[in-house]
Amino acid sequence: DVKVTQSSRYLVKRTGEKVFLECVQDMDHENMFWYRQDPGLGLRLIYFSYDVKMKEKGDIPEGYSVSREKKERFSLILESASTNQTSMYLCASSFPPEGLSPMNTEAFFGQGTRLTVV
Amino acid sequence: GENVEQHPSTLSVQEGDSAVIKCTYSDSASNYFPWYKQELGKRPQLIIDIRSNVGEKKDQRIAVTLNKTAKHFSLHITETQPEDSAVYFCAAPLAGNQFYFGTGTSLTVIP
Repeated sequence: DVKVTQSSRYLVKRTGEKVFLECVQDMDHENMFWYRQDPGLGLRLIYFSYDVKMKEKGDIPEGYSVSREKKERFSLILESASTNQTSMYLCASSFPPEGLSPMNTEAFFGQGTRLTVV
Repeated sequence: GENVEQHPSTLSVQEGDSAVIKCTYSDSASNYFPWYKQELGKRPQLIIDIRSNVGEKKDQRIAVTLNKTAKHFSLHITETQPEDSAVYFCAAPLAGNQFYFGTGTSLTVIP
């Protein structure tokens, strides 16, 4: 079974704090993703990575950065947390079959981190 | 996101009836269309997917149909049961390696 684990289930941070959300997968997947989930907006892609030290911006990268120093770990960083970043954050990973785009395959999600910025 | 539109946003059906959720996409180059189910408080999980070289795929009570000409695909759940109650998301890859999800459909199956 694929396991994608996010370091925290719930987090409360203050405005202006630097926040780290950690995600680890144990299946040697090439691709990792960070999404935020908000009511009525679905899942929006923040950043993704298809290899160590590689990253690409998603739909809503402003206010976020990421780090992929090791294949199994993908970190989302809020440089200076703001109240509009209060949300559910979901990490996902996938293994691209040879010849297929990184996006053309099943994504396995972590359990989510509910972040509240006060 | 706006590149993948999903309807309806909420859906209530009687147990045993069918449920249909529809998504439209904008990029004609998209070639992979998954559906995810998210139960309350749990992570999204893939329930079925279809690639552009087929028009329909079935797995027991769930099926997905794809109309590439019209750029829409639909999830069909037959003989619905209370455990089908969840939020369902469609998704489609778009140009530039963006992978967009629909805004979700909250399905309630009434016993």
